[in-house]
Amino acid sequence: DAKTTQPPSMDCAEGRAANLPCNHSTISGNEYVYWYRQIHSQGPQYIIHGLKNNETNEMASLIITEDRKSSTLILPHATLRDTAVYYCIVRGGLSSGSARQLTFGSGTQLTVLP
Amino acid sequence: EAEVAQSPRYKITEKSQAVAFWCDPISGHATLYWYRQILGQGPELLVQFQDESVVDDSQLPKDRFSAERLKGVDSTLKIQPAELGDSAMYLCASSSGTSTLETQYFGPGTRLLVL
Repeated sequence: DAKTTQPPSMDCAEGRAANLPCNHSTISGNEYVYWYRQIHSQGPQYIIHGLKNNETNEMASLIITEDRKSSTLILPHATLRDTAVYYCIVRGGLSSGSARQLTFGSGTQLTVLP
Repeated sequence: EAEVAQSPRYKITEKSQAVAFWCDPISGHATLYWYRQILGQGPELLVQFQDESVVDDSQLPKDRFSAERLKGVDSTLKIQPAELGDSAMYLCASSSGTSTLETQYFGPGTRLLVL
């Protein structure tokens, strides 16, 4: 699986958009970008995933660059409850024997400030 | 909403003792995973089950760790003997197993402290 690079920490003001970047310059054509988050002392929670098109759901938006070497997770109106570690994960494609596995890095600690 | 259950939530033990963790996945989920998360790091996969069969245990320290899922439903992870370096959060996750890219749902974890 391709590796990802994320900033170790970020702050965001409550009510503002939180933009979390992720670099995955060695991503393969059939690999997906997944985002999970982990609130303190809880298990990781799935947020969103995408291949090459931008994606949006009730939690967040995922913007993937055209060359797919980086992506940004956007929380449009951050709340205090969004304070968590956010993990960007590149996941093996359908033909990969390890497609089901998630390889976590160290993630980005997002702190939403009141 | 269905959840992955884990117990105990916290466990303190002395080194050289045996410990066991239990996981009950979301009903109907065929794939079950055990992860270990050391403080300040992301989770790392220890073992993956598809129904009752082990699919991947390449990162499981087999000299002291064992995992089973006898009936393809709930699972137990055991450490014997525990060492100081085993202090960590042990997370269980499950997924439907119907697609190679299905979402994994995580339980709350068991936090282990070895003294």
